Amino acid sequence: ETAVFQTPNYHVTQVGNEVSFNCKQTLGHDTMYWYKQDSKKLLKIMFSYNNKQLIVNETVPRRFSPQSSDKAHLNLRIKSVEPEDSAVYLCASSSAGHTEVFFGKGTRLTVV
Amino acid sequence: QEKVQQSPESLIVPEGAMVSLNCSFSDSASQSIWWYQQHPGKGPKALISIFSNGNKKEGRLTVYLNRASLHVSLHIKDSQPSDSAVYLCAPNTGYQNFYFGKGTSLTVIP
Repeated sequence: ETAVFQTPNYHVTQVGNEVSFNCKQTLGHDTMYWYKQDSKKLLKIMFSYNNKQLIVNETVPRRFSPQSSDKAHLNLRIKSVEPEDSAVYLCASSSAGHTEVFFGKGTRLTVV
Repeated sequence: QEKVQQSPESLIVPEGAMVSLNCSFSDSASQSIWWYQQHPGKGPKALISIFSNGNKKEGRLTVYLNRASLHVSLHIKDSQPSDSAVYLCAPNTGYQNFYFGKGTSLTVIP
């Protein structure tokens, strides 16, 4: 049962293009995240967004930017994609405190 | 140095076996430790968490936490083919900040 919805499921694009991924959660959570999962399944947090406060992982390149219209939506934009951006991007949400994080199914990006 | 180290990297067991997965973490401020299960093509899903030193049992799952040694383990009793997945350890250092290990890939053979 999914409550974090991501679109698209897959996206193939060329180096230098701009891409946007959408994410919506219907759980009423206050915090949303974007994670990057590489080919070796390593999950790395990119951004967390809580009550209009954005926390950025310092290792994330500037071409990545999150965009939020309300607490239920957190999109991800990548300006000028690079080959190393090929990965699965997972959106997630959680409520306050040390609670469970709920993930979407992910968007697989392939940069050719 | 990685903040979370999991072992083994992969594991193949026959159906019905007891499975033991290990996780070492470096941040003693971790307030809770979570285990997630990820099937191919899906996002991770939380299985079980532990906050206090000691053990916690839920169904076929038992998790042990030793804060002194910064080690947590997950044990799956009577493993089933549907348990085949990647298992991710995730210490929470607070402020919704989770660090994930590289995971253990489990295959349960019928």
